[in-house]
Parts: sequence; C-alpha cells; structure tokens
Amino acid sequence: DAGVTQSPTHLIKTRGQQVTLRCSPKSGHDTVSWYQQALGQGPQFIFQYYEEEERQRGNFPDRFSGHQFPNYSSELNVNALLLGDSALYLCASSLPVGEKLFFGSGTQLSVL
Amino acid sequence: SQQGEEDPQALSIQEGENATMNCSYKTSINNLQWYRQNSGRGLVHLILIRSNEREKHSGRLRVTLDTSKKSSSLLITASRAADTASYFCATLYQGAQKLVFGQGTRLTINP
Repeated sequence: DAGVTQSPTHLIKTRGQQVTLRCSPKSGHDTVSWYQQALGQGPQFIFQYYEEEERQRGNFPDRFSGHQFPNYSSELNVNALLLGDSALYLCASSLPVGEKLFFGSGTQLSVL
Repeated sequence: SQQGEEDPQALSIQEGENATMNCSYKTSINNLQWYRQNSGRGLVHLILIRSNEREKHSGRLRVTLDTSKKSSSLLITASRAADTASYFCATLYQGAQKLVFGQGTRLTINP
C-alpha cells in the first residue's frame, strides 16, 4: 500500500516564477492538507481539500492556490514566488477530519 | 495565532535516559497528537489523545493530557540513538478541521 507521495523532491526557482507541487494521498484517503515548513519551524497550515473543494484555508495570500482531482490527488500552486517562499512543502492525507495525518516526504523549494 | 508552544526547544540526553517534552495550547481541543520528524523530511504520527482521555501509552511512549492546564507531555522512556529527531505536538481545536502544529522540540540522544 503506497503512502503519500509528493513530487518533485527538490525544486529551485527564481523570484517571480510560478511553481506547481503534486501530491497523491494514501490509498482510500479523501482529504488532503498542505503545510509549509520553514527551516527550524513547525508546519504551517496552508489549506485543506475535500471532495475537490477547498474546505479550510490558513493565513496565506492568494498567491497560494490549490486543486483536488476526482482521484483525490492534489496540486499546490504558488505564483509570483518570493524569497520567503523557500521552505519544505508537506502534503498530508487523512480519512475523517481531525484524525491522524499521513505525511509525504515533502518538496524542498528554494527560491533564488 | 492558535499555535501552541513546546518546551524545551532543544533537549540533549544520554542513551538510556528518559526524555520529556511539553506542549501548551490555547483553547478547547478535540484531540492532541504527537509527530516525529527526522532530518527535515515527512512527519510520522506517534500517538493521538482525545480531550476526554488523560493518559495513553504506545510502546516506550507515554502521553498525558491536562485540559485544565491546557497542556500535554510526551515521555520517551529508555531512549535510543534512533529517537534523535524533532517532535511536534498538533492540536485539533473544537470546531476546527485543521491540525495546528507547535514549533517542535529537537531531541538529541547521545550514545
């Protein structure tokens, strides 16, 4: 049983560019959450998708957007990249809301 | 911000000793969870304790929850070098659908 998979593993972009990160949830999971983790900090909630709708959003600007597909996989898009967007982006899936999250290994984004 | 606080921020102990990490949170919760992260990669779920529970065990892990003090503790007994990692508490506040993570405790086990 495959767990949560994220791609790519690493990404280097320059300021102003756009990036798309991808996530496939654990088999059978229908809820996907995205987190941003700066170096030495705890994960910060970006948003959560369920039934292809954004169900809840954290304190992130509109430059951060997402999508969930009918097969429950998800994408995170970030436009107009800033140096401060450099971080580890984590995708997590779950079944019932609030129960334990299964995390992918993350995408390390570096913005130069 | 609803983000809770963890202490200590860093903890270094000898192999075989016990490690205790603490987490405080802001308002009423449905549950509190602990996760481990090795070398800045994905987090791994360790244990979940619900608001009506006071203590849970899983192997060498013991978690307590004191809702009157809005705090939780994670105890790792008989620590091993492989326990070296960052540990995060995460809270599901009542009425919310997202887990809020703390800043974490960086644990180092010295052989």
